[in-house]
Amino acid sequence: DSGVTQTPKHLITATGQRVTLRCSPRSGDLSVYWYQQSLDQGLQFLIHYYNGEERAKGNILERFSAQQFPDLHSELNLSSLELGDSALYFCASSVGPLAGYYEQYFGPGTRLTVT
Amino acid sequence: TQLLEQSPQFLSIQEGENLTVYCNSSSVFSSLQWYRQEPGEGPVLLVTVVTGGEVKKLKRLTFQFGDARKDSSLHITAAQPGDTGLYLCAGAEGRDDKIIFGKGTRLHILP
Repeated sequence: DSGVTQTPKHLITATGQRVTLRCSPRSGDLSVYWYQQSLDQGLQFLIHYYNGEERAKGNILERFSAQQFPDLHSELNLSSLELGDSALYFCASSVGPLAGYYEQYFGPGTRLTVT
Repeated sequence: TQLLEQSPQFLSIQEGENLTVYCNSSSVFSSLQWYRQEPGEGPVLLVTVVTGGEVKKLKRLTFQFGDARKDSSLHITAAQPGDTGLYLCAGAEGRDDKIIFGKGTRLHILP
């Protein structure tokens, strides 16, 4: 158990809909990262938040947005869903970039299926 | 954009054999992490290498960071079926904290 929790574990929804994925980091970690993993694309970095502030953006679509709240939990919002958004979404946490490296602890993931 | 290329993509070997997988880049990384991922689960951190030339051991796994901090290798001695999984290397790109993962080496150890 990494100490990172994600909900829900599975999500099935229709095209055009909007969903919210939730992540709670390990106790004491200030950084939260979101990733998308599909079979053909590998693990794609979406976004990094540190202590409530956006730190870095990766290949995140405009239809996707995220935020980190004062209690450090984070939410990833996916809207206008398309079939191609079906994937595993992982959240990870770490102490933060000031540690000088990026040891991340991953949650169990949310499997999103868009039908 | 920095890239991390992992090789081989797939490796299937017999239990008891030794193997090495590689993680290469044309860019310098301040550190690299190695993770192992099982199907349907999140990656699990194995090790971080920071200093050029650094060697770290985790039981039968030996990790090395290249002298120029552009590449890394993972050597497994006497592989066991429990070593089966997807091995990923990762690093941070530049100063803006974008995380890059290689596509991984999928390792299968045959009993």
